Parts: sequence; structure tokens; C-alpha cells
Amino acid sequence: DVKVTQSSRYLVKRTGEKVFLECVQDMDHENMFWYRQDPGLGLRLIYFSYDVKMKEKGDIPEGYSVSREKKERFSLILESASTNQTSMYLCASSSPDRESGGYTFGSGTRLTVV
Amino acid sequence: KNQVEQSPQSLIILEGKNCTLQCNYTVSPFSNLRWYKQDTGRGPVSLTIMTFSENTKSNGRYTATLDADTKQSSLHITASQLSDSASYICVVSATTGGSYIPTFGRGTSLIVHP
Repeated sequence: DVKVTQSSRYLVKRTGEKVFLECVQDMDHENMFWYRQDPGLGLRLIYFSYDVKMKEKGDIPEGYSVSREKKERFSLILESASTNQTSMYLCASSSPDRESGGYTFGSGTRLTVV
Repeated sequence: KNQVEQSPQSLIILEGKNCTLQCNYTVSPFSNLRWYKQDTGRGPVSLTIMTFSENTKSNGRYTATLDADTKQSSLHITASQLSDSASYICVVSATTGGSYIPTFGRGTSLIVHP
């Protein structure tokens, strides 16, 4: 089975801290994504990447950056965490194959910024 | 603008009963439609995927239908169980330059009572 692993299930950080959320997938997928999920708003795309060292802004990139130095790893960085970044963060990867052109998600990281 | 609308927003049923969740979309060019189940505090897990030529797909007690003409899909759950309590998310992907761009619905929250 495809596995997408997020390094932390729960994180509590202080306002102003630099926060790293790590995501690793083991299926050699080209595409990787970071979403945040908030009640009533559904999943919103922060950043995505179609290749190593490549990144594209999603719908809500402000306050975030990403890094993809290796194909299997996609990191989300909060340069200076703020309380409005308290959320559930989900990483996903996908294959460009038409039949399976869906997304495999990690288990999520619940981030609380205090 | 691509959109996915799900209804109802929430649903409460008794164990053993059937239910149907709806998904209407305006996504173009259509590539595939997936239903995901998301347990509280976890990442979404794929239930079914359907391409343009498919109009029904089953996965155990879950049956998804797709009407590409009216751009509607439904997820039918038969003989509900307590473990079906979750959020169900409809995701429709468009094909753009060989990549799959997903549009997420906001989900239907299902609660199954004993």
C-alpha cells in the first residue's frame, strides 16, 4: 500500500516560532501537496510540487513556504507561527496515472499555536 | 471556477439504516471523481474512484454513482454501522497538462447512533 507519513500527529508551538512539518511518501510519486483543513472550510491547498526542487503556490500560501530536496520528502515551513495557523495539516501524494489520479493522504498533523 | 458542492452538510441516522450523500460539481475538463472517508483526527482514505465512463462503483457497503451528464454523484451506504461515523468528502479532479488538479467538497458529516 502507498504510504504517506507525517512526522507528528500533534504539535504545540509558540507564536513566532519557526515550525517544520515533514512528509514522506514511499511510492515514488512525482506529485506532493500540503493542505490545511478547518471546520466548515474543507481542505485548502497551501503548496504543491510536481518534481524535486519545484514548488507552486496553492490557494493560501501566505505565511508558509515549502522545501522538496528529495522526491520522497516534502516539508512545510511556517516561518513565524501565528495563532491563525492553528489547524489540521494534511500532506498528500499522487501519481499522474489516469486511473489512479487520486490522492493518498497522511494521517495529519494537528498544530496548535499558542 | 471549479466547484464541488456536497449535501447534506451533516446527517444523523440509526445503526442499520441506509443513507445517501450527494455531490454536485462544476469541474472541467473532468478526469475522475473520488469519495473519501475521514475519521475524526485522521487523514482522508479513498473509498471509490470513478472515471467518465463509469456510472457505478461499489466497495463493500459503499456504492458510488456518477451521472456525468448532470454532473452529480452520490454515495450510498447500506446497513450503516457505528464505524461509518465520519466525514465523507467528494473530490473531483480536472486534467490540466497531464496533471490532476483536485477540487474538494467541504464534506458531509455522518453520525450513526446505536
